[in-house]
Amino acid sequence: GENVEQHPSTLSVQEGDSAVIKCTYSDSASNYFPWYKQELGKGPQLIIDIRSNVGEKKDQRIAVTLNKTAKHFSLHITETQPEDSAVYFCAAGKTGGFKTIFGAGTRLFVKA
Amino acid sequence: DAGVTQSPTHLIKTRGQQVTLRCSPKSGHDTVSWYQQALGQGPQFIFQYYEEEERQRGNFPDRFSGHQFPNYSSELNVNALLLGDSALYLCASSLVVSGETQYFGPGTRLLVL
Repeated sequence: GENVEQHPSTLSVQEGDSAVIKCTYSDSASNYFPWYKQELGKGPQLIIDIRSNVGEKKDQRIAVTLNKTAKHFSLHITETQPEDSAVYFCAAGKTGGFKTIFGAGTRLFVKA
Repeated sequence: DAGVTQSPTHLIKTRGQQVTLRCSPKSGHDTVSWYQQALGQGPQFIFQYYEEEERQRGNFPDRFSGHQFPNYSSELNVNALLLGDSALYLCASSLVVSGETQYFGPGTRLLVL
C-alpha cells in the first residue's frame, strides 16, 4: 500500500548548524508534499509545501527539495535555533486533497 | 481569522462506550479531514468530508463514522471503544477548489480505560 518513510527518527544539532530530514514515498501519483512542525500538546503546523512541478522551494531558513524520479524529498533547516526543536512530519498527497499519507516523524533537538 | 477549532480538548472514556468529537474548520474552508495520531507516530487518515458527504476513507473500521453539517463543521463518532482507540484525534480543514493544503486543529486527546 501507500507508504511514506522518514529518516532520521531523532536528530540532535547544535544551535546554528543545519538540519536535514529525508523522506521517500511509494505512490508515484503523489504530487503534493507538505511538511508540518508539531510542538508538544499542539496540532501539526504547516511550515512549507512543494508540488511536483517544482524541484526546490525556499522560505527564509527552510528549504525543501523534491526528486520525483527517485521519489525522494527533503527538508533543510539552516541556522537552527532552540525554538526549532519539535517533531517534524513529511507527507505525500494528491491534487484535490485526497488522502494524505504522513511519515512517522523526526524529533529535532537544537542544543543551545 | 479563526483557525481550526476542536472540542473537547481532552476526554476519558471506558471500553465499550461511544464518543463524539467536534471540529469547526478554518474560516472559508469547506472540506474537513479527520486523522488519528497514536503516541510517537504520524497522523493516520480516517476520512474526509465535503458537501456533507464522506469523500474518501482510510483503513478504519465502521466503528468510526462522521458527519458534516451545512456550516462545514464536522463530528467524528467512535462506537464500542477499544483501548487501542486511545490517541490524539486531529481535524484538518482545506478548500477543495484550491487543492491540497490542510490546516490542523489542536486535537482532542482521547484516553480509553
